[in-house]
Amino acid sequence: EVHLVESGGGLVQPGGSLRLSCAASGFTFSSYWMHWVRQTPGKGLVWVSRVDPDGGTYYADSVEGRFTISRDNAKNTLYLQMNSLRGDDTGLYYCARDVWRPGSGSDYFDYWGQGTLVTVSS
Amino acid sequence: DVVMTQSPLSLPVTLGQPASISCRSSQSLVHSDGNTYLNWFQQRPGQSPRRLINKVSNRDSGVPDRFSGSGSGTDFTLKISRVETEDVAVYYCMQGTHGPITFGGGTRVEIK
Repeated sequence: EVHLVESGGGLVQPGGSLRLSCAASGFTFSSYWMHWVRQTPGKGLVWVSRVDPDGGTYYADSVEGRFTISRDNAKNTLYLQMNSLRGDDTGLYYCARDVWRPGSGSDYFDYWGQGTLVTVSS
Repeated sequence: DVVMTQSPLSLPVTLGQPASISCRSSQSLVHSDGNTYLNWFQQRPGQSPRRLINKVSNRDSGVPDRFSGSGSGTDFTLKISRVETEDVAVYYCMQGTHGPITFGGGTRVEIK
């Protein structure tokens, strides 16, 4: 059974840093694209970042240069290093998986974790 | 970025009656690989999003057949044939054709 379990959220002051983790199990982690998605009451669901099986990374404009996504395939774990945090980074952060299959294309977000809450406030 | 516009914002429905949610995109969602990457998600209170429909009309495993997706190009619809109590949730559409991935603002389905 597929499981994605996020951790690392908390309360942090503006300008501070946090590192989120997402522990994966029940599937071949190294074969999947992995994403972070943020949810806030005001802006709904917002895609944040993606890391490909080969390590390629992509970011939303709002976090480019401040956040770094990475993965450790030996530990089946996804990370999000969040620096220079701002109030609008506040939200529930989910990890979700994605895979590309020949003949059928991409298969976005069939499984999500339960989320970890990040609050940026002084 | 592709803007996904859902309507209505809120949808009160009588138990056993149908419900329909619209999702419109600011650009065609037909990908160069021939697929249309339009998904629907259900988020019940206190839970994570759960995918119901992928690539416009493919129902995910375990999703009741009262849920169906349709549409093409820029205009898409999620239908619930007979609403049940467990369908109370917020429903989101999402496009993955054009980067970055974007979501609709959500439609809240409630029992009238």
